[in-house]
Amino acid sequence: GAGVSQSPRYKVAKRGQDVALRCDPISGHVSLFWYQQALGQGPEFLTYFQNEAQLDKSGLPSDRFFAERPEGSVSTLKIQRTQQEDSAVYLCASSLESREVSYEQYFGPGTRLTVT
Amino acid sequence: AQKVTQAQTEISVVEKEDVTLDCVYETRDTTYYLFWYKQPPSGELVFLIRRNSFDEQNEISGRYSWNFQKSTSSFNFTITASQVVDSAVYFCALSPGPSYSGAGSYQLTFGKGTKLSVIP
Repeated sequence: GAGVSQSPRYKVAKRGQDVALRCDPISGHVSLFWYQQALGQGPEFLTYFQNEAQLDKSGLPSDRFFAERPEGSVSTLKIQRTQQEDSAVYLCASSLESREVSYEQYFGPGTRLTVT
Repeated sequence: AQKVTQAQTEISVVEKEDVTLDCVYETRDTTYYLFWYKQPPSGELVFLIRRNSFDEQNEISGRYSWNFQKSTSSFNFTITASQVVDSAVYFCALSPGPSYSGAGSYQLTFGKGTKLSVIP
């Protein structure tokens, strides 16, 4: 079946521009996660959705970052007034849902954002 | 707070050698999950294994094996008879155990990764 897809794969933005990054999770996966991966580092958690509910946004670095998943499927990560420090790969992951078990997360290919 | 340490930044081995990637974790949770992911040059993270804290049995899958030792908070990964296709960055990750509050997030805490280069 289809995996997690993300678009665009690459995005160049001028400092101060707004960007929107899209994630299509695996069909049937209730949980959706966003991570940020800086060059040479491991991914870092940004936010988590269970269906359309954003249950954890503790990793969002500033109020310029906003995520939504209005119909419980596709999710969009929006960054307003981009700064150079926002340059990174943004990864989306989805997983099965269970209160009792942490299932493996399946990752998309990521969106590489470069802010100039 | 959760923390994962992968002390080896880069490792180079000659093809067919065995190699072990170290992972040490810290958590206050009594139950938790450990994972290994592979990130080849293409960039997409590939799931390799999930292990819960209740199960300390070692696991073998083909050329891959994992050694989980709760006493030393380690979850090491060994590749036997390495191949060039094994060249990638490998990440160890940790997630919390079940939260019955209903608002649990099984977010992953990753280490910084170990870059493995297998030389032909």
